Amino acid sequence: ETGVTQTPRHLVMGMTNKKSLKCEQHLGHNAMYWYKQSAKKPLELMFVYNFKEQTENNSVPSRFSPECPNSSHLFLHLHTLQPEDSALYLCASSPDYRDGWSPLHFGNGTRLTVT
Amino acid sequence: GESVGLHLPTLSVQEGDNSIINCAYSNSASDYFIWYKQESGKGPQFIIDIRSNMDKRQGQRVTVLLNKTVKHLSLQIAATQPGDSAVYFCAENGEAAGNKLTFGGGTRVLVKP
Repeated sequence: ETGVTQTPRHLVMGMTNKKSLKCEQHLGHNAMYWYKQSAKKPLELMFVYNFKEQTENNSVPSRFSPECPNSSHLFLHLHTLQPEDSALYLCASSPDYRDGWSPLHFGNGTRLTVT
Repeated sequence: GESVGLHLPTLSVQEGDNSIINCAYSNSASDYFIWYKQESGKGPQFIIDIRSNMDKRQGQRVTVLLNKTVKHLSLQIAATQPGDSAVYFCAENGEAAGNKLTFGGGTRVLVKP
């Protein structure tokens, strides 16, 4: 049982839809991350929040909009996506982003298909 | 032909044998390394980590070896079991400040009964 829970597990959306991915962690961590895992590339970091403040935006297109209302919850709002955005979106957490010697704990991801 | 995805190297191993998975990293400034296991339909699961001030670390049935001279990392799994079938990723942190992991492309391990 993972301490990081992502919903929904699967999502199919059209290019004009708006949807949101949700992540919740029960580990007492203060850093939360969004990663993209696609068939053609290794895991790519998208965003990082540390103590609710965004600390990293890895040149992600504006059609992806993150939100972190508190240290336990992270959202990824999706709007006007492209078919190439179809991928597995993984949420992760760690105690503190400034601690570079802690492993990330991942959820099981949301499989997104853009039609 | 058209590329349809990452070409994952595959390691086939007989049940009960030892497995060795290798990873080359490129950033000589990286000082923290992690191995993850990802089973089908799941997210990456932490296996073991090692800091750059060490060259070997052991866990339960797993050993990680770090050779900084040639920038090479390996994961050894003892007495491989069917449940070890998965994709294994190495990750490195080369950031001076911040937990910003860079992941390798992964190796698929298939355990034959």
